[in-house]
Amino acid sequence: SQQGEEDPQALSIQEGENATMNCSYKTSINNLQWYRQNSGRGLVHLILIRSNEREKHSGRLRVTLDTSKKSSSLLITASRAADTASYFCAVNDYKLSFGAGTTVTVRA
Amino acid sequence: KAGVTQTPRYLIKTRGQQVTLSCSPISGHRSVSWYQQTPGQGLQFLFEYFSETQRNKGNFPGRFSGRQFSNSRSEMNVSTLELGDSALYLCASSLAGQNGEPQHFGDGTRLSIL
Repeated sequence: SQQGEEDPQALSIQEGENATMNCSYKTSINNLQWYRQNSGRGLVHLILIRSNEREKHSGRLRVTLDTSKKSSSLLITASRAADTASYFCAVNDYKLSFGAGTTVTVRA
Repeated sequence: KAGVTQTPRYLIKTRGQQVTLSCSPISGHRSVSWYQQTPGQGLQFLFEYFSETQRNKGNFPGRFSGRQFSNSRSEMNVSTLELGDSALYLCASSLAGQNGEPQHFGDGTRLSIL
């Protein structure tokens, strides 16, 4: 399985701080995606990074990819209470394989 | 553009019953995938439909089945419900289900088995 594995499992930060979470995977990939899930809701696609990219930005999100280490990181800068959610990385073969996710709590 | 719509949002059933969940994808999307989410197992892929054909299948027993209609709407059915089937069932759609396409998820159906 190419399932992504997120680390840490949970993260609690103060509003305005940055949050960083990591994802590791097992085999070669064409791309890696990050999703957010608010409590009781569906997943929302955040960003996709292709295997030939090293870094990608979208608003306050920064994703890096290191294919040699089979790892990716998601950085949320200047966090807000609305960023409280679970974050998942996902890798593709014929389906999306998700890790267990990182639960981020942003304290006001 | 309307998002992915799943109905019903909540459902309570008892063991042994069967249930049908519905998913309406984003207009123009032809690929529909289903996932089961539980606290213990996380997000697990059930199956994917494209143009009314099941294209991929996960490791779930035959009690879990699905279909897709000509308008791309999809249903999944679970027969002989077990307590362990309690979960959030998520549907996701994309244009063609190709590697690298973002998946657009509905808010899910929360199924509780008593």
